[in-house]
Amino acid sequence: ETGVTQTPRHLVMGMTNKKSLKCEQHLGHNAMYWYKQSAKKPLELMFVYSLEERVENNSVPSRFSPECPNSSHLFLHLHTLQPEDSALYLCASSQDRGTGGYEQYFGPGTRLTVT
Amino acid sequence: GENVEQHPSTLSVQEGDSAVIKCTYSDSASNYFPWYKQELGKRPQLIIDIRSNVGEKKDQRIAVTLNKTAKHFSLHITETQPEDSAVYFCAASWAWGNNRLAFGKGNQVVVIP
Repeated sequence: ETGVTQTPRHLVMGMTNKKSLKCEQHLGHNAMYWYKQSAKKPLELMFVYSLEERVENNSVPSRFSPECPNSSHLFLHLHTLQPEDSALYLCASSQDRGTGGYEQYFGPGTRLTVT
Repeated sequence: GENVEQHPSTLSVQEGDSAVIKCTYSDSASNYFPWYKQELGKRPQLIIDIRSNVGEKKDQRIAVTLNKTAKHFSLHITETQPEDSAVYFCAASWAWGNNRLAFGKGNQVVVIP
């Protein structure tokens, strides 16, 4: 499969559950991103990984824990979430040569509902 | 950090008319300004971008203009078609930001047949 893929596409979880979101990119990029998309809000950058190192943690609560085992895979581990965490979680990838200005390619997203 | 404002939030246009969406940014160091289109239930996709050394860029019915002095940039869609109906996001990125993008809130464009 080409491009950026995400699994699962839909997830319903209780506040005490632990789950993980997975993202995979087949574009040869060296940077990956997690975004949160809520209604009526801008896309919120959560985490940035460049060359498998986390270079950005945008004041995200510790109940969200990212993992980047290699340049093609990115995970978002979730635990003890709140109902306000319900949103579409988008993964993206791009080249990163430290100067900015590269297109980010998005995955289809995981629609998360916290009950 | 960068702050991107996008106006208007909703825009309805008659098919065949033009649509213009405006964005402002706060960080004068920003040098890359992409526009993403997100159709209902689909992922955001880049439709056009512009860099700070260029004032205008055009791709068929879509154009983007940049005013660095005023720190604003605009998306222009001419001869709108029903398939142009979507949410459009502007974004800004700065040179040393590890390709981080600050997005606007998005603009819902509705093309009325």
